[in-house]
Amino acid sequence: DGGITQSPKYLFRKEGQNVTLSCEQNLNHDAMYWYRQDPGQGLRLIYYSQIVNDFQKGDIAEGYSVSREKKESFPLTVTSAQKNPTAFYLCASSIAPGRGQGAVTGELFFGEGSRLTVL
Amino acid sequence: RKEVEQDPGPFNVPEGATVAFNCTYSNSASQSFFWYRQDCRKEPKLLMSVYSSGNEDGRFTAQLNRASQYISLLIRDSKLSDSATYLCVFGSGNTGKLIFGQGTTLQVKP
Repeated sequence: DGGITQSPKYLFRKEGQNVTLSCEQNLNHDAMYWYRQDPGQGLRLIYYSQIVNDFQKGDIAEGYSVSREKKESFPLTVTSAQKNPTAFYLCASSIAPGRGQGAVTGELFFGEGSRLTVL
Repeated sequence: RKEVEQDPGPFNVPEGATVAFNCTYSNSASQSFFWYRQDCRKEPKLLMSVYSSGNEDGRFTAQLNRASQYISLLIRDSKLSDSATYLCVFGSGNTGKLIFGQGTTLQVKP
């Protein structure tokens, strides 16, 4: 079955520690995204990548880092510089829109999420 | 003005009721529109895309009003299983970014 897998589902971290959240997809999608969701709020974009070895900052990139060395994988590192890291983190993928063609952004497929709690 | 504005609710309705949600967007360049459903503590899942001419999927009807820059979702004959948070989502051209509303919570009561 094709899908997108996040791990771990639950993670506890001490202040000052970096943690890396894994995201793997076998949908052959070009684009991958990381969102953060806080209680009662919408999803906020952290980073996104439309192609291997390229990624862009979203709206709340400070304190986070990503890499896109393989099409299937887009790990997110929550660094100690992130002031308020406790949140629900969602990874997603989509077929990337065609550049310069005015194509619309397609459906997002989400992983089940990772809940990070800083102790 | 916020990029997306959505009434968080909650909307409490009895089974069988018809309920409608609106969602406004500020970026007139938005080209793609969606409604996602999110169950408690789960990931969002696509409910339906929203097309210019409006579209229907069973009990769900989605509409787009470009002039007033909003989309709507109508749910007829509400079921208990419709209880969830409904997120409106907008995409803008070639940036690859989708903008999410904060969600509207629907509670359908017996």
